[in-house]
Amino acid sequence: NAGVTQTPKFQVLKTGQSMTLQCAQDMNHEYMSWYRQDPGMGLRLIHYSVGAGITDQGEVPNGYNVSRSTTEDFPLRLLSAAPSQTSVYFCASKSTTDTQYFGPGTRLTVL
Amino acid sequence: AQSVAQPEDQVNVAEGNPLTVKCTYSVSGNPYLFWYVQYPNRGLQFLLKYITGDNLVKGSYGFEAEFNKSQTSFHLKKPSALVSDSALYFCAVRAPSGGYNKLIFGAGTRLAVHP
Repeated sequence: NAGVTQTPKFQVLKTGQSMTLQCAQDMNHEYMSWYRQDPGMGLRLIHYSVGAGITDQGEVPNGYNVSRSTTEDFPLRLLSAAPSQTSVYFCASKSTTDTQYFGPGTRLTVL
Repeated sequence: AQSVAQPEDQVNVAEGNPLTVKCTYSVSGNPYLFWYVQYPNRGLQFLLKYITGDNLVKGSYGFEAEFNKSQTSFHLKKPSALVSDSALYFCAVRAPSGGYNKLIFGAGTRLAVHP
């Protein structure tokens, strides 16, 4: 049981480039979410999903897209990267007992 | 709207002394409250949660937290700090309805335990 996995661990993009951050979980959790972590701001919710085919916006959704075609996978897409999107991104899934399990994170730098 | 405040950016404690990391919240209705810990270059790990019942909640690694409804607080405590407790601690709140699916985090408090 690998828990929540994220790829890549590190990524450098140029402004305007696109990329997809991958997230997968093997715990059969319906709820998954994406957060970004910035110094002094804690974790801010970007998007979340309560099950396959269902997604919704969090606190800071602009510039990001998500989809949920399977229970296991919840990719986060940056369509046109901006320097303001430089951050550490965490994916999480939540159990039925309300405990969130976080992935190891992706450190993204946009130049 | 729900929100969480962690008033201290950093807490310094000597090893063996008790520690407290403060958290206050704002939410409509009865809150669901959580504490998570983050070690360097790692994701967050669950410590404990309060949903209902006894106001004193015990969690992992000897930590506990007390829910105080009148003061809207959920402070994290440990009777005797260890150097290995040094990490970044996050308080989080979720509303029981409305923002049901949104877990909102505080800015985090860095705990430094000195030998």
